[in-house]
Amino acid sequence: AQSVTQLGSHVSVSEGALVLLRCNYSSSVPPYLFWYVQYPNQGLQLLLKYTTGATLVKGINGFEAEFKKSETSFHLTKPSAHMSDAAEYFCAVSYTGANSKLTFGKGITLSVRP
Amino acid sequence: DSGVTQTPKHLITATGQRVTLRCSPRSGDLSVYWYQQSLDQGLQFLIQYYNGEERAKGNILERFSAQQFPDLHSELNLSSLELGDSALYFCASSDLAGANEQFFGPGTRLTVL
Repeated sequence: AQSVTQLGSHVSVSEGALVLLRCNYSSSVPPYLFWYVQYPNQGLQLLLKYTTGATLVKGINGFEAEFKKSETSFHLTKPSAHMSDAAEYFCAVSYTGANSKLTFGKGITLSVRP
Repeated sequence: DSGVTQTPKHLITATGQRVTLRCSPRSGDLSVYWYQQSLDQGLQFLIQYYNGEERAKGNILERFSAQQFPDLHSELNLSSLELGDSALYFCASSDLAGANEQFFGPGTRLTVL
């Protein structure tokens, strides 16, 4: 069965600093990979996704992630944090067909210090 | 706005009661997923429907059931409610094409007192 590991539950960075949120997955076959963001009292919004092809994926709000098959990782980065990036971030995997549900990591809360 | 709507936004009820949560998917999406988000369990998949038929089941309790109607809206029924059922319940929809990007509704926050 697939699983997603997001190390740590809370990351704090200064405004303008690099954001790095880690995600590792466990799967016998390469999955589709997603990062979702959840702002307080809101639903989940897709930041970016990896399906096939180019392993560096660019998403909304300046975020990007790189799929590394050898490391089974899909870490999320942003060169310069903004106060508005403060939210909870979830990494998720899915597959095609009958197993298309999303399996989420536990989530990481990102705080941005002025 | 994802195009997925959920009602009600908030629901407060007592233990032992039954409630129904409603979801309308994005126009054209045939697949509906239900997820539960709680502090201790995180985001967990409950059940999926595709064009009116159950497609996959996750960690859904026997007290919970769902259905998808001919107009593709879906309802999640929760019965014999317990304090531990208090959570955010999300609906997501997808057209199941390609990479299965799921679009989430704003959620229903259920509080069981």
